[in-house]
Amino acid sequence: EIVMTQSPATLSVSPGERATLSCRASQSVSTKLAWYQQIPGQTPRLLIYGASTRATGIPARFSGSGSGTEFTLTISSLQSEDFVVYFCQQYNDWPTFGQGTKLEIK
Amino acid sequence: EVQLVESGGGLVQPGRSLRLSCAVSGFTFDDYGMHWVRQAPGKGLEWVSGIGWNSGVIGYADSVKGRFTISRDNAKNSLFLQMNSLRPEDTALYYCAKSISVAAKNAFDIWGQGTMVTVSS
Repeated sequence: EIVMTQSPATLSVSPGERATLSCRASQSVSTKLAWYQQIPGQTPRLLIYGASTRATGIPARFSGSGSGTEFTLTISSLQSEDFVVYFCQQYNDWPTFGQGTKLEIK
Repeated sequence: EVQLVESGGGLVQPGRSLRLSCAVSGFTFDDYGMHWVRQAPGKGLEWVSGIGWNSGVIGYADSVKGRFTISRDNAKNSLFLQMNSLRPEDTALYYCAKSISVAAKNAFDIWGQGTMVTVSS
């Protein structure tokens, strides 16, 4: 099983600033990496797949990068609705998720 | 409108069985892989099982292997999860999720609202 590790567990950033979330795989997953956003009490929403391709309807302030074992989700100019939880997921093998990063207002 | 609607959850005693269903509409069901993902209360996401478009590829998380069985009926646009020998640690909200393409090992672009499974005596 490929283990996904997200850091930090909680990230404090001010509105309007940029947030950088990290995800590391225990072995190479090429670019088979997705990011999801989950608002408490709601269904996860796909943000990024293929490490860097935005899903339909996702604002341009969300961007993804990386390959192999190191990945980053960047949210530029944070809006109030962005302060929720984010998960990474690899699908180079049967999927596994990271434990999540909670983005909170500083 | 694309919809995934799960059903079949509930309260069940340890060791008993439960069968979850996911009714799909709004897209060509047999063009996509499908999955079950669960989320224990206050916890993260855990992939449970996935199935390819024609049931030729099937996978399970180690935590459920040998106890859970995934299946699909393309004629009825439905996905299923047979859960046997349930344990308290299986307690979670179970989501049905659609692969972004025909490949089973994939990201998930559409999720249902989930059905809650509680395993307790």
